[in-house]
Amino acid sequence: NAGVTQTPKFQVLKTGQSMTLQCAQDMNHEYMSWYRQDPGMGLRLIHYSVGAGITDQGEVPNGYNVSRSTTEDFPLRLLSAAPSQTSVYFCASSLTGPSSYNEQFFGPGTRLTVL
Amino acid sequence: DQQVKQNSPSLSVQEGRISILNCDYTNSMFDYFLWYKKYPAEGPTFLISISSIKDKNEDGRFTVFLNKSAKHLSLHIVPSQPGDSAVYFCAASKAAGNKLTFGGGTRVLVKP
Repeated sequence: NAGVTQTPKFQVLKTGQSMTLQCAQDMNHEYMSWYRQDPGMGLRLIHYSVGAGITDQGEVPNGYNVSRSTTEDFPLRLLSAAPSQTSVYFCASSLTGPSSYNEQFFGPGTRLTVL
Repeated sequence: DQQVKQNSPSLSVQEGRISILNCDYTNSMFDYFLWYKKYPAEGPTFLISISSIKDKNEDGRFTVFLNKSAKHLSLHIVPSQPGDSAVYFCAASKAAGNKLTFGGGTRVLVKP
């Protein structure tokens, strides 16, 4: 199993550009989520999905879109990048959703810089 | 307003001694708590967890203590090893789902 994979590892964008951060998992996990990590702020939840076709907002959703067309993939889209979106982005997945507690598995992260 | 806080951004400890990491939370709806460990350029990895019905959970060298009345949890690492040098995040979850609220992290350095 590859676990949770993320591409790209690094990205530099100019303000106003758009891009998609890719996330895939091969563990047949229903629950997937995106976090951003900023110094001193820990990880903050951007969006999450409890299954294919179902997504919801987390703590800091503004400026980001997600979709979940398959169980395996959960891409994160930046429609018009801003310097405030400079961060490290982590995708995570876990076995089940709302009514249980399961260990979340994290990808290696994408380091994004917006100039 | 941060609902989960780790007030010590860094901790330095000698190899073989105890490392104690602290975490405070404000939301009384949190009922499940986790610690994650993160090495540079890697994603966080799960370390240990505790449910609010317990006050202690052990896993090898790692023990988590929960004081619900004080809304405080701590992670003890005994004995500390150089490989434990990493950033540690505490996280909390409410009963309704897997959404995790993370603290800001504590960077631990274990000196040989």
